[in-house]
Amino acid sequence: GAGVSQSPSNKVTEKGKDVELRCDPISGHTALYWYRQSLGQGLEFLIYFQGNSAPDKSGLPSDRFSAERTGGSVSTLTIQRTQQEDSAVYLCASSKYDPGLAGDEQYFGPGTRLTVT
Amino acid sequence: AQSVTQLGSHVSVSEGALVLLRCNYSSSVPPYLFWYVQYPNQGLQLLLKYTSAATLVKGINGFEAEFKKSETSFHLTKPSAHMSDAAEYFCAVTHQNTDKLIFGTGTRLQVFP
Repeated sequence: GAGVSQSPSNKVTEKGKDVELRCDPISGHTALYWYRQSLGQGLEFLIYFQGNSAPDKSGLPSDRFSAERTGGSVSTLTIQRTQQEDSAVYLCASSKYDPGLAGDEQYFGPGTRLTVT
Repeated sequence: AQSVTQLGSHVSVSEGALVLLRCNYSSSVPPYLFWYVQYPNQGLQLLLKYTSAATLVKGINGFEAEFKKSETSFHLTKPSAHMSDAAEYFCAVTHQNTDKLIFGTGTRLQVFP
Protein backbone atom coordinates (compact mmCIF):
# COMPACT_ATOMS: atom_id res chain seq x y z
CA GLY A 1 0.00 0.00 0.00
CA ALA A 2 0.94 3.66 -0.14
CA GLY A 3 3.48 4.83 2.36
CA VAL A 4 4.02 8.21 3.94
CA SER A 5 4.46 10.89 1.31
CA GLN A 6 5.96 14.34 1.67
CA SER A 7 6.06 17.35 -0.58
CA PRO A 8 7.98 19.06 -1.90
CA SER A 9 10.96 16.75 -1.98
CA ASN A 10 13.29 19.73 -2.23
CA LYS A 11 12.73 23.36 -1.35
CA VAL A 12 15.15 26.23 -1.78
CA THR A 13 14.07 29.49 -0.24
CA GLU A 14 15.56 32.84 0.59
CA LYS A 15 16.24 33.85 4.15
CA GLY A 16 13.22 35.58 5.64
CA LYS A 17 10.61 33.82 3.50
CA ASP A 18 7.94 31.50 4.86
CA VAL A 19 7.74 27.86 3.79
CA GLU A 20 5.14 25.12 4.11
CA LEU A 21 6.01 21.44 4.14
CA ARG A 22 3.32 18.83 3.65
CA CYS A 23 2.96 15.30 4.96
CA ASP A 24 0.41 12.68 3.91
CA PRO A 25 0.45 9.83 6.44
CA ILE A 26 -0.53 6.25 5.82
CA SER A 27 -4.30 5.98 5.68
CA GLY A 28 -5.78 5.06 9.05
CA HIS A 29 -2.72 6.05 11.07
CA THR A 30 -3.79 8.18 13.99
CA ALA A 31 -0.36 9.29 15.15
CA LEU A 32 1.85 11.63 13.10
CA TYR A 33 5.31 12.92 13.90
CA TRP A 34 7.69 15.51 12.49
CA TYR A 35 11.45 15.14 12.87
CA ARG A 36 14.33 17.24 11.61
CA GLN A 37 17.60 15.78 10.38
CA SER A 38 20.59 18.06 10.15
CA LEU A 39 24.34 17.58 10.07
CA GLY A 40 25.01 19.26 13.34
CA GLN A 41 22.06 17.98 15.35
CA GLY A 42 21.26 14.52 14.00
CA LEU A 43 17.62 13.41 14.10
CA GLU A 44 15.48 15.59 16.35
CA PHE A 45 11.84 15.24 17.31
CA LEU A 46 9.77 18.33 16.56
CA ILE A 47 6.07 17.64 17.19
CA TYR A 48 3.59 14.80 17.63
CA PHE A 49 -0.08 14.69 16.60
CA GLN A 50 -2.74 12.31 17.83
CA GLY A 51 -5.64 12.89 15.48
CA ASN A 52 -5.79 16.66 14.98
CA SER A 53 -4.39 17.49 18.41
CA ALA A 54 -0.75 18.10 19.19
CA PRO A 55 -0.15 16.92 22.75
CA ASP A 56 3.59 17.32 22.41
CA LYS A 57 5.16 20.31 20.69
CA SER A 58 8.25 20.25 22.86
CA GLY A 59 10.70 19.85 19.98
CA LEU A 60 9.71 22.92 17.98
CA PRO A 61 12.86 25.05 18.08
CA SER A 62 11.20 28.48 18.10
CA ASP A 63 7.89 30.24 17.65
CA ARG A 64 8.70 30.57 13.96
CA PHE A 65 7.78 26.90 13.66
CA SER A 66 4.18 25.72 13.70
CA ALA A 67 2.26 22.71 12.49
CA GLU A 68 -1.30 21.66 12.03
CA ARG A 69 -3.15 18.55 11.06
CA THR A 70 -6.58 18.48 9.51
CA GLY A 71 -9.11 15.68 9.20
CA GLY A 72 -6.82 13.41 11.14
CA SER A 73 -4.79 13.07 7.98
CA VAL A 74 -2.63 15.63 6.18
CA SER A 75 -0.21 17.72 8.21
CA THR A 76 1.56 20.94 7.33
CA LEU A 77 4.72 22.21 8.99
CA THR A 78 5.18 25.94 8.54
CA ILE A 79 8.40 27.83 9.11
CA GLN A 80 8.09 31.59 9.15
CA ARG A 81 10.91 34.02 8.43
CA THR A 82 13.30 31.20 7.57
CA GLN A 83 16.90 31.36 8.76
CA GLN A 84 19.94 29.57 7.39
CA GLU A 85 20.05 27.33 10.45
CA ASP A 86 16.64 25.97 9.41
CA SER A 87 18.32 24.18 6.49
CA ALA A 88 17.79 20.48 7.09
CA VAL A 89 15.80 17.47 5.97
CA TYR A 90 12.35 17.44 7.54
CA LEU A 91 10.99 13.94 8.02
CA CYS A 92 7.42 12.98 8.71
CA ALA A 93 6.37 9.66 10.22
CA SER A 94 3.08 8.04 11.11
CA SER A 95 2.03 5.11 13.26
CA LYS A 96 -1.20 3.22 13.62
CA TYR A 97 -1.88 3.48 17.33
CA ASP A 98 -1.35 5.58 20.36
CA PRO A 99 2.33 5.73 21.28
CA GLY A 100 1.41 4.14 24.60
CA LEU A 101 0.93 0.89 22.76
CA ALA A 102 4.09 -1.08 23.11
CA GLY A 103 6.69 -0.13 20.55
CA ASP A 104 4.35 0.66 17.70
CA GLU A 105 6.41 1.17 14.57
CA GLN A 106 6.76 4.58 13.02
CA TYR A 107 6.78 4.65 9.21
CA PHE A 108 8.84 7.44 7.70
CA GLY A 109 8.38 9.46 4.55
CA PRO A 110 11.26 10.34 2.21
CA GLY A 111 11.66 13.80 3.69
CA THR A 112 11.76 17.36 2.41
CA ARG A 113 15.21 18.83 1.97
CA LEU A 114 15.01 22.52 2.86
CA THR A 115 17.81 24.86 1.87
CA VAL A 116 17.71 28.47 3.06
CA THR A 117 20.02 30.76 1.09
CA ALA B 1 15.52 10.98 30.44
CA GLN B 2 16.35 8.58 27.67
CA SER B 3 19.34 8.62 25.37
CA VAL B 4 21.13 6.50 22.84
CA THR B 5 24.83 6.33 22.08
CA GLN B 6 26.13 4.85 18.85
CA LEU B 7 29.84 4.16 19.02
CA GLY B 8 31.57 4.78 15.73
CA SER B 9 30.18 7.26 13.25
CA HIS B 10 31.75 5.27 10.42
CA VAL B 11 32.28 1.53 10.09
CA SER B 12 33.98 -0.11 7.12
CA VAL B 13 33.87 -3.83 6.37
CA SER B 14 34.71 -6.06 3.45
CA GLU B 15 31.96 -7.83 1.57
CA GLY B 16 31.27 -11.12 3.34
CA ALA B 17 32.64 -9.94 6.68
CA LEU B 18 30.73 -9.64 9.93
CA VAL B 19 28.87 -6.39 10.50
CA LEU B 20 28.70 -5.09 14.08
CA LEU B 21 27.12 -1.71 14.81
CA ARG B 22 27.06 -0.69 18.45
CA CYS B 23 24.22 0.93 20.36
CA ASN B 24 24.00 1.63 24.08
CA TYR B 25 20.94 3.13 25.66
CA SER B 26 20.02 4.91 28.84
CA SER B 27 16.48 4.63 30.18
CA SER B 28 14.95 4.77 33.64
CA VAL B 29 12.00 2.65 32.50
CA PRO B 30 11.86 -0.50 30.37
CA PRO B 31 12.80 0.61 26.86
CA TYR B 32 11.60 -0.22 23.42
CA LEU B 33 14.53 -0.22 21.02
CA PHE B 34 14.68 0.12 17.27
CA TRP B 35 17.19 -0.01 14.45
CA TYR B 36 16.41 1.97 11.33
CA VAL B 37 18.35 2.10 8.06
CA GLN B 38 18.54 5.11 5.77
CA TYR B 39 19.68 4.82 2.18
CA PRO B 40 20.84 7.99 0.37
CA ASN B 41 18.04 10.49 -0.22
CA GLN B 42 15.46 8.21 1.34
CA GLY B 43 13.52 8.08 4.57
CA LEU B 44 14.14 5.69 7.43
CA GLN B 45 13.16 2.05 7.14
CA LEU B 46 12.68 -0.16 10.17
CA LEU B 47 15.15 -3.06 10.37
CA LEU B 48 13.99 -4.54 13.67
CA LYS B 49 12.60 -3.68 17.08
CA TYR B 50 12.72 -4.93 20.66
CA THR B 51 9.57 -4.61 22.72
CA SER B 52 10.26 -6.82 25.75
CA ALA B 53 9.57 -10.18 24.15
CA ALA B 54 12.53 -12.24 22.96
CA THR B 55 15.88 -10.62 23.65
CA LEU B 56 17.32 -11.78 20.31
CA VAL B 57 15.45 -10.01 17.58
CA LYS B 58 15.67 -10.90 13.91
CA GLY B 59 14.97 -8.30 11.29
CA ILE B 60 14.96 -7.80 7.58
CA ASN B 61 17.91 -8.33 5.24
CA GLY B 62 19.59 -10.82 7.59
CA PHE B 63 20.16 -8.37 10.44
CA GLU B 64 19.63 -9.20 14.08
CA ALA B 65 20.15 -7.52 17.43
CA GLU B 66 20.35 -8.72 21.00
CA PHE B 67 18.95 -6.78 23.94
CA LYS B 68 21.32 -7.04 26.91
CA LYS B 69 19.89 -5.31 29.95
CA SER B 70 23.01 -5.84 32.04
CA GLU B 71 25.10 -4.03 29.43
CA THR B 72 22.36 -1.58 28.37
CA SER B 73 23.18 -2.53 24.80
CA PHE B 74 21.32 -3.35 21.62
CA HIS B 75 24.05 -4.00 19.06
CA LEU B 76 23.15 -4.75 15.45
CA THR B 77 24.86 -7.60 13.65
CA LYS B 78 24.86 -9.36 10.31
CA PRO B 79 27.04 -12.42 9.67
CA SER B 80 28.02 -11.53 6.11
CA ALA B 81 27.99 -8.02 4.67
CA HIS B 82 26.56 -7.26 1.24
CA MET B 83 27.45 -4.28 -0.92
CA SER B 84 23.78 -3.32 -0.71
CA ASP B 85 24.08 -2.92 3.08
CA ALA B 86 26.01 0.32 2.63
CA ALA B 87 23.81 2.94 4.29
CA GLU B 88 23.38 4.90 7.51
CA TYR B 89 22.02 3.06 10.50
CA PHE B 90 20.20 4.64 13.42
CA CYS B 91 19.44 3.19 16.81
CA ALA B 92 16.45 4.67 18.63
CA VAL B 93 14.75 4.30 21.99
CA THR B 94 11.31 4.99 23.35
CA HIS B 95 9.08 3.65 26.12
CA GLN B 96 5.46 3.10 26.93
CA ASN B 97 4.81 6.49 28.45
CA THR B 98 6.27 8.68 25.78
CA ASP B 99 5.41 9.68 22.28
CA LYS B 100 8.67 10.16 20.45
CA LEU B 101 11.72 8.29 19.28
CA ILE B 102 15.09 9.39 20.63
CA PHE B 103 17.72 8.66 18.00
CA GLY B 104 21.42 8.06 18.16
CA THR B 105 23.74 10.04 15.93
CA GLY B 106 23.93 7.30 13.34
CA THR B 107 26.63 5.01 11.95
CA ARG B 108 27.55 5.08 8.30
CA LEU B 109 28.39 1.60 7.05
CA GLN B 110 30.71 1.22 4.08
CA VAL B 111 31.16 -2.14 2.41
CA PHE B 112 34.22 -2.75 0.27
CA PRO B 113 34.46 -5.45 -2.41
